[in-house]
Amino acid sequence: EVQLVESGGGLVQPGGSLRLSCAASGFAFSTYWMSWVRQAPGKGLEWVALIKQDGSEKSYADSLKGRFTISRDNGKKSLNLELNSLRADDTAVYYCARHTNNWFDPWGQGTLVTVSS
Amino acid sequence: EIVLTQSPATLSLSPGERATLSCRASQSINTYLGWYQQKPGQAPRLLIYDASNRATGIPARFSGSGSGTDFTLTISSLEPEDFAVYFCQQRSNWPPYTFGQGTKLEIK
Repeated sequence: EVQLVESGGGLVQPGGSLRLSCAASGFAFSTYWMSWVRQAPGKGLEWVALIKQDGSEKSYADSLKGRFTISRDNGKKSLNLELNSLRADDTAVYYCARHTNNWFDPWGQGTLVTVSS
Repeated sequence: EIVLTQSPATLSLSPGERATLSCRASQSINTYLGWYQQKPGQAPRLLIYDASNRATGIPARFSGSGSGTDFTLTISSLEPEDFAVYFCQQRSNWPPYTFGQGTKLEIK
């Protein structure tokens, strides 16, 4: 069974940092592009970042202005997202998702990041 | 950046009825449009890709159509489990991938 399990979310103060992880299983992780997508409480979906199979290409939403860094460890079948200089409007559930024919399928269950003092 | 506009924001229907959801793109995206379903407390699930192809395991009552800028998701006969929020998403001009704001399908 294909499975994606996020972890690392929690409560962090404005200006703080957090590292999210996504553990993949049930498929050949190293052969897929991967993305992070977030969803603020009660709001829509926002694509955050993507990374190529070997990590050689990365892309980010312009709104992040260089504060987030995506990475992967194919040996550990892990996708990561480093969040820095966090702001209140970064509060969201962060999902990792596999690119299947360039669509997001499947998604993990998400991890909640709350930025508040 | 391609903007996707979904309508209506909320659709109130009864089980057994037909649902028609719309998604309009700010510029042509060929057929590079997908639809996702999201139930409360759950992650989104891919329903339709490339405008009209059902994803694995998706029931035949779900269908998609359209090309260019106008797209439709149709649920032929609503089942109780279909009441959820539906998002469209484009992959024509990426990055960024963009999503519509969602249509909430609620029980009347």
